[in-house]
Amino acid sequence: DTAVSQTPKYLVTQMGNDKSIKCEQNLGHDTMYWYKQDSKKFLKIMFSYNNKELIINETVPNRFSPKSPDKAHLNLHINSLELGDSAVYFCASSQDEGSWSRELFFGEGSRLTVL
Amino acid sequence: GENVEQHPSTLSVQEGDSAVIKCTYSDSASNYFPWYKQELGKRPQLIIDIRSNVGEKKDQRIAVTLNKTAKHFSLHITETQPEDSAVYFCAPHNTDKLIFGTGTRLQVFP
Repeated sequence: DTAVSQTPKYLVTQMGNDKSIKCEQNLGHDTMYWYKQDSKKFLKIMFSYNNKELIINETVPNRFSPKSPDKAHLNLHINSLELGDSAVYFCASSQDEGSWSRELFFGEGSRLTVL
Repeated sequence: GENVEQHPSTLSVQEGDSAVIKCTYSDSASNYFPWYKQELGKRPQLIIDIRSNVGEKKDQRIAVTLNKTAKHFSLHITETQPEDSAVYFCAPHNTDKLIFGTGTRLQVFP
């Protein structure tokens, strides 16, 4: 069983389109994240979300919005896609309550290409 | 905001040699210090971590050392093997942002 799963793995789309990436975790974790990895391999946090609050990295454009229908899912919706949005997007989860270790469990990544 | 830097950014070693990667951070409240390994085309995965009340931790060929006063911690890999080739990330944190370091690409030549 896959612990953190993302769909789709690959996404090719035109500038200006709106797209979503889905993420699900079956680990029972209380916190989920979205990271963006660019061509230079930098891993930049975009959002973290648990039952209590959504924390947004202030550098993320408001075209990006996380949506969490329940504790096990955190989807990423992107409006008006731009060329610079091309990257690999990783979903991750961790158990923060009652744990000193905040090990992140990552999904396989979703490679987004904007043409 | 938090600054997390790694040095070197790239490292090439011969198989069997040792490799050391250093991570420097700015948030003095950080209390958890993990290292992640990302192989080509794969997801990052935790390989070793340490808490702030411990100075060193070892797991077979890998070890992590922490200097809280100087605000840096290091990853040590001994007897390197070609399968150690990957990008390594540190991610010191005590906040919700979980900021990753700039990454170090390690190449181990047979």
